[in-house]
Amino acid sequence: QKEVEQDPGPLSVPEGAIVSLNCTYSNSAFQYFMWYRQYSRKGPELLMYTYSSGNKEDGRFTAQVDKSSKYISLFIRDSQPSDSATYLCAMSAISNAGKSTFGDGTTLTVKP
Amino acid sequence: EAGVAQSPRYKIIEKRQSVAFWCNPISGHATLYWYQQILGQGPKLLIQFQNNGVVDDSQLPKDRFSAERLKGVDSTLKIQPAKLEDSAVYLCASSLGVYNEQFFGPGTRLTVL
Repeated sequence: QKEVEQDPGPLSVPEGAIVSLNCTYSNSAFQYFMWYRQYSRKGPELLMYTYSSGNKEDGRFTAQVDKSSKYISLFIRDSQPSDSATYLCAMSAISNAGKSTFGDGTTLTVKP
Repeated sequence: EAGVAQSPRYKIIEKRQSVAFWCNPISGHATLYWYQQILGQGPKLLIQFQNNGVVDDSQLPKDRFSAERLKGVDSTLKIQPAKLEDSAVYLCASSLGVYNEQFFGPGTRLTVL
């Protein structure tokens, strides 16, 4: 079993929809939680970063972490065609913050 | 500010051949990472450098993969000999430190025939 499991998708939604992307994990040591966006033929870019539990909002994006359930989510409001990409969750422990474990990604398509 | 540079962008080789990838991190970034991303999967950390010292190489297949970061700046990743299962995108990332945001390069797409 993988340490990080991500809803596989693909996901296709109409423009303006609310999108929910989810990951579960098994390693209780994970304290840093990240969401990356990866466009085709590009490297991942950091979207959101959360330490421990709670919510974090940045514009149309909201990241949620529920450590009791070992579950994290990324919500995208008012989705746009430019949001079409693969979204990767990633996590790391305090003992080695640089060693991120990634999910396998969810590919999102937002249709105009 | 210039991003992380990688070359080549694409490489096709026969199995059992050797290949090397080059990475130039963002200026001033002390931490450098090499990841392997197989199609349909997330990146997997191969090796992490802090300046020119290795912090973590637990997932590096050391019988065929090697990496170095001379003078704590540029880095090279080598595969010798390559296997079919090494076909993947090799991503380089850098950060100011281990607690800072990682910035990724565009990757090198390797195809092993």
